Amino acid sequence: EPEVTQTPSHQVTQMGQEVILRCVPISNHLYFYWYRQILGQKVEFLVSFYNNEISEKSEIFDDQFSVERPDGSNFTLKIRSTKLEDSAMYFCASSGQGGQPQHFGDGTRLSIL
Amino acid sequence: QKEVEQNSGPLSVPEGAIASLNCTYSDRGSQSFFWYRQYSGKSPELIMSIYSNGDKEDGRFTAQLNKASQYVSLLIRDSQPSDSATYLCAVRSRSGTYKYIFGTGTRLKVLA
Repeated sequence: EPEVTQTPSHQVTQMGQEVILRCVPISNHLYFYWYRQILGQKVEFLVSFYNNEISEKSEIFDDQFSVERPDGSNFTLKIRSTKLEDSAMYFCASSGQGGQPQHFGDGTRLSIL
Repeated sequence: QKEVEQNSGPLSVPEGAIASLNCTYSDRGSQSFFWYRQYSGKSPELIMSIYSNGDKEDGRFTAQLNKASQYVSLLIRDSQPSDSATYLCAVRSRSGTYKYIFGTGTRLKVLA
């Protein structure tokens, strides 16, 4: 069964550094999402992306965050200057159409020191 | 603020019993509802989606939706120890968005 793949599985970064989290959505999917889950808390929406542009973003997704689809397969989340509170599990998801169920990758655990 | 509420549990059931998980949501116009299973430290795994009032069955799982009462439930029949996980309710609202709003999840423990 097709999967969403994310790399790296764990990223450790010093506060203030830039990080890029990578995702390869399911190949024929058109809608892409990033969510995050702080340890012990609920999964929170960050951003949705369709047709090479952001379609929606949450208040968490401030100017420090950006997303990109640099080629036909990858979807990336960049955090420009990481803060301690950015430590979380970041999940990429994709769906075939906007209303179809979203399928999640295994996540990247981001630890900010 | 649109909310999705779940009892955090843990909900403990003996092996072979029916586990009943409930979720309520605040946005009356919500259109799509999903149940995900999340093992500790892992990603959410889609179990069921439901869009219309009534029941939807898939193997040992039945999702129930009541839009008038704004709740959605998940029944797991013949519960197995491998079903022990956190079950997340996710709701897509009507507002032209495809984002999911998740509940905090209910931790299920199936006792052998």
